[in-house]
Amino acid sequence: GEDVEQSLFLSVREGDSSVINCTYTDSSSTYLYWYKQEPGAGLQLLTYIFSNMDMKQDQRLTVLLNKKDKHLSLRIADTQTGDSAIYFCAETAVETGGSYIPTFGRGTSLIVHP
Amino acid sequence: DSGVTQTPKHLITATGQRVTLRCSPRSGDLSVYWYQQSLDQGLQFLIQYYNGEERAKGNILERFSAQQFPDLHSELNLSSLELGDSALYFCASSVGVGGYTYEQYFGPGTRLTVT
Repeated sequence: GEDVEQSLFLSVREGDSSVINCTYTDSSSTYLYWYKQEPGAGLQLLTYIFSNMDMKQDQRLTVLLNKKDKHLSLRIADTQTGDSAIYFCAETAVETGGSYIPTFGRGTSLIVHP
Repeated sequence: DSGVTQTPKHLITATGQRVTLRCSPRSGDLSVYWYQQSLDQGLQFLIQYYNGEERAKGNILERFSAQQFPDLHSELNLSSLELGDSALYFCASSVGVGGYTYEQYFGPGTRLTVT
């Protein structure tokens, strides 16, 4: 079955760049996502990338996709203390009936030090 | 604020009991998804409804059931509760089921504690 792997923790200094990595196994993945979860809150969709793209940039966020290696990364430029949260990588392929049901990684806890 | 609401926010109950979690999707969204988040299993998809009908099923136990009502709100029913059912239960909604409607918006979750 599908599997999405992420490292559990990342610690960075405020102002530095953060890079969160993710690997997935399903070669039929169509969409890949990054979600952010702050304490006590639900998941918030940060950005996504289609499987036929290599890169997507959205303000401070850059997503890189290496489809050959099934590797996805999220780079946060100029990381701020407000970026401290858990970041989830997720992938979807079209399920039976046309539904897109994401498979989530375990999440990477990003800790930003002042 | 995602526009998805869930009630209650917290629920504490005893083993063997039955509870109902409620979700109201974003205005205009026809699709509702339920997820369970626990420390040992991570975020697991349970079930999806689209416009009142079950659309996709994930790792949902037979003791759990869900439905989506004509006004599009959804309820997740958990029965014969066990200690291992303690988790955060999230509801998410999306406009549809495929294509451009892949974006899911998550509610704040219901934290269930079974004692």
